[in-house]
Amino acid sequence: GIQVEQSPPDLILQEGANSTLRCNFSDSVNNLQWFHQNPWGQLINLFYIPSGTKQNGRLSATTVATERYSLLYISSSQTTDSGVYFCAVERGNQGGKLIFGQGTELSVKP
Amino acid sequence: GAGVSQTPSNKVTEKGKYVELRCDPISGHTALYWYRQSLGQGPEFLIYFQGTGAADDSGLPNDRFFAVRPEGSVSTLKIQRTERGDSAVYLCASSPGGKGGETQYFGPGTRLLVL
Repeated sequence: GIQVEQSPPDLILQEGANSTLRCNFSDSVNNLQWFHQNPWGQLINLFYIPSGTKQNGRLSATTVATERYSLLYISSSQTTDSGVYFCAVERGNQGGKLIFGQGTELSVKP
Repeated sequence: GAGVSQTPSNKVTEKGKYVELRCDPISGHTALYWYRQSLGQGPEFLIYFQGTGAADDSGLPNDRFFAVRPEGSVSTLKIQRTERGDSAVYLCASSPGGKGGETQYFGPGTRLLVL
């Protein structure tokens, strides 16, 4: 099956710093989503981005489908950005089944 | 409702017991998904429904697990003869059309602990 690898596994930042999280996947996809899982376990949608670039406030994401990777950028990080960031992909012939990476655990220190 | 809701939020049971976990999807969403998340891992797919029927149940770990969605809205995940290894967070998600290639919206999860 399709493999999803996220890097780095852990990241510690000072408040105000910028960061880039990466998601590599092993096959073509027709859906890619980035999620933030907050300390209470809620998965919050950040981006639906099978290709191209999107921005939402301090967050932006880019997916290069032909090279099978996606990047999530966090600028001017805040302590509330802490949590685990997941990338999840869906193959074109498998309906809505999402395959998740292992996540990047981000900790933003004041 | 405004979002996906799941009940109970927490469930503690004893090994060998039967449990039911409920999911209420976003109103009007055709597709409903169940995932399971173990500590320190990403969610893993269990089953998804397109309307009332299970379109893909390839992620169910064994025949102790099954799920229903009799009227195409609320779904129940049922686990028989629970084992300690079933302890995890069970997440439900829904999406508008269920044909793939669309955003899935997740509920808060049910934390199951099997003693």
